[in-house]
Amino acid sequence: DAKTTQPNSMESNEEEPVHLPCNHSTISGTDYIHWYRQLPSQGPEYVIHGLTSNVNNRMASLAIAEDRKSSTLILHRATLRDAAVYYCILRFGTSYDKVIFGPGTSLSVIP
Amino acid sequence: DAGVTQSPTHLIKTRGQQVTLRCSPKSGHDTVSWYQQALGQGPQFIFQYYEEEERQRGNFPDRFSGHQFPNYSSELNVNALLLGDSALYLCASSFVTDSGANVLTFGAGSRLTVL
Repeated sequence: DAKTTQPNSMESNEEEPVHLPCNHSTISGTDYIHWYRQLPSQGPEYVIHGLTSNVNNRMASLAIAEDRKSSTLILHRATLRDAAVYYCILRFGTSYDKVIFGPGTSLSVIP
Repeated sequence: DAGVTQSPTHLIKTRGQQVTLRCSPKSGHDTVSWYQQALGQGPQFIFQYYEEEERQRGNFPDRFSGHQFPNYSSELNVNALLLGDSALYLCASSFVTDSGANVLTFGAGSRLTVL
């Protein structure tokens, strides 16, 4: 199973940008990079995903390295509601493959 | 559109008992996966169901079993409960594609406490 590594925790000041890194050096050509986040007392929720190109949506941006061995989730202006555990995972070439979560990055947002 | 619905939200059992957790997937989704999440850890994959069959399984003993019904809803059964089975059990649904682009939608989970 392809694995990802993330820092255990990060801090950010409110209304400042946050860059959450993820390393996935064993990624294969058909693996998609997905990010999910889990707010306290809730199930994980989808944030964003990409394959090769950078992606933007209303929640965040995803910057993918040219060699695809790392990626960065960017929250443009952190709010207190963004305090959560952020998971970077790889999804294999078909939807039949099991999805493996690591421990994720716990993001704290300071008012 | 209701997302993934799980029941019950909380339950308490004693060691040796059996438990059944239920999951209704998001409308349009046909695949259900179950995860166990211990306090302070990431979700651990238990198994995945598609077309009423177990398609993938994680590193969990046979005490953990499941079922998927024709309407795509699913059950997770755990027999002979141990203290270590205390956790948040998450259900996630998705639809089948030939791509890793499809997104998982999670329920809020069922919190199981084993005494």
